[in-house]
Amino acid sequence: EIMLTQSPASLSVSPGETATLSCRASESVSKHLAWYQQKPGQSPRLLIYDATTRATGIPVRFSGGGSGTEFSLTISSLQSEDFAVYYCQQYRTWTFGQGTKVEI
Amino acid sequence: QMQLKESGPGLVKPSETLSLTCSVSGASITTRDDYWGWVRQSPTKDLEWIGSISYSGDTYYNPSLRARLTISADASRNQFSLRLASAAASDTGVYYCVRHRDGYYIFDSWGQGTLVAVSS
Repeated sequence: EIMLTQSPASLSVSPGETATLSCRASESVSKHLAWYQQKPGQSPRLLIYDATTRATGIPVRFSGGGSGTEFSLTISSLQSEDFAVYYCQQYRTWTFGQGTKVEI
Repeated sequence: QMQLKESGPGLVKPSETLSLTCSVSGASITTRDDYWGWVRQSPTKDLEWIGSISYSGDTYYNPSLRARLTISADASRNQFSLRLASAAASDTGVYYCVRHRDGYYIFDSWGQGTLVAVSS
């Protein structure tokens, strides 16, 4: 099973700042990686797929990078609505990371 | 606007079968290249893909759950269902129905989720 390790577990940032989240795969997943955002009491929402492609309606301040085993999600100019938990997921098979909480 | 909505018992006794249904509106579950699945989230917030059924009725199961799992679809009702036998406390969590496309496990639409507790 391909394991995904996200870091850090939590990240404190101020509105307007940039947050960079990491996701490491235990073996190469090529670019088969997605990122999801989950706010309290809500379902996860797809942000990024194919490592770098924004899903429909996702603001340009969200950007994904990486390939192989190392991936990143960058959130520029953090808005109040961006404080949430972010999960990466590889779809070479189907596993999720454990999440990174972005908090104020 | 496509919507998915889960329904089913919120409490299941250990060893019994956990059964949930997802009702889809705004899209047909027989649309070519659409796949319909289930993802659950444990109380510790871990996410796990459970299994999926394709537009043509082919099923795909997480190997860790395969022995206990059945996913089926009812095109006339535009619904698909999950049955997980021999439920245990470790099956407690929020169950989401999801859509993905073209055989890739990119979950682009999610239901609101339903909490299922396995407890006597």
